[in-house]
Amino acid sequence: AQTVTQSQPEMSVQEAETVTLSCTYDTSENNYYLFWYKQPPSRQMILVIRQEAYKQQNATENRFSVNFQKAAKSFSLKISDSQLGDTAMYFCAFMKQQAGKSTFGDGTTLTVKP
Amino acid sequence: DTGVSQDPRHKITKRGQNVTFRCDPISEHNRLYWYRQTLGQGPEFLTYFQNEAQLEKSRLLSDRFSAERPKGSFSTLEIQRTEQGDSAMYLCASSLGTQNTEAFFGQGTRLTVV
Repeated sequence: AQTVTQSQPEMSVQEAETVTLSCTYDTSENNYYLFWYKQPPSRQMILVIRQEAYKQQNATENRFSVNFQKAAKSFSLKISDSQLGDTAMYFCAFMKQQAGKSTFGDGTTLTVKP
Repeated sequence: DTGVSQDPRHKITKRGQNVTFRCDPISEHNRLYWYRQTLGQGPEFLTYFQNEAQLEKSRLLSDRFSAERPKGSFSTLEIQRTEQGDSAMYLCASSLGTQNTEAFFGQGTRLTVV
């Protein structure tokens, strides 16, 4: 079974600064997908960024980028130029290829301070 | 299309009662997922459908839980003889196809068993 670990329950960052959220996972699969989801207070979860394990290049989406280290089974999220609207809970998730379900970590609560 | 919708948003029930939740996925999405999220934890997989077929069900799901997607469109999740431990947020998500594309989440149904 796969496990996903987010070791930082809470983090805070000043507006406009950069923050990195950590995620490690455990799997024996070779082909899989990794995701970061954002869950703002009282709102639905939305996808922030996705990484295919077969791709060596790290995914980027505007201010969001990942550092994917397959051998180390590490998948961190970097948020640049943090904005107040980035305040949310962030979940790292794993999905093996052709599977239906995702396995989620327990989340990191990020607070962006003005 | 307004995204994934769930009804009701909140449900308070007495222990031992049955409850049913509904999820309407994005119309062209053939995959539909149910997750359960308790406070301070990440979503936990319950079950998923591809069209009307229930392809996987978590071993954590007791016999008191049942889900259906009769016409491959909306889905219902029923919990019989509710227990206080069933109190949680029940999340529905949908996605298109089998290429592990983005899952779109609803806002969830918060169940409180008193």
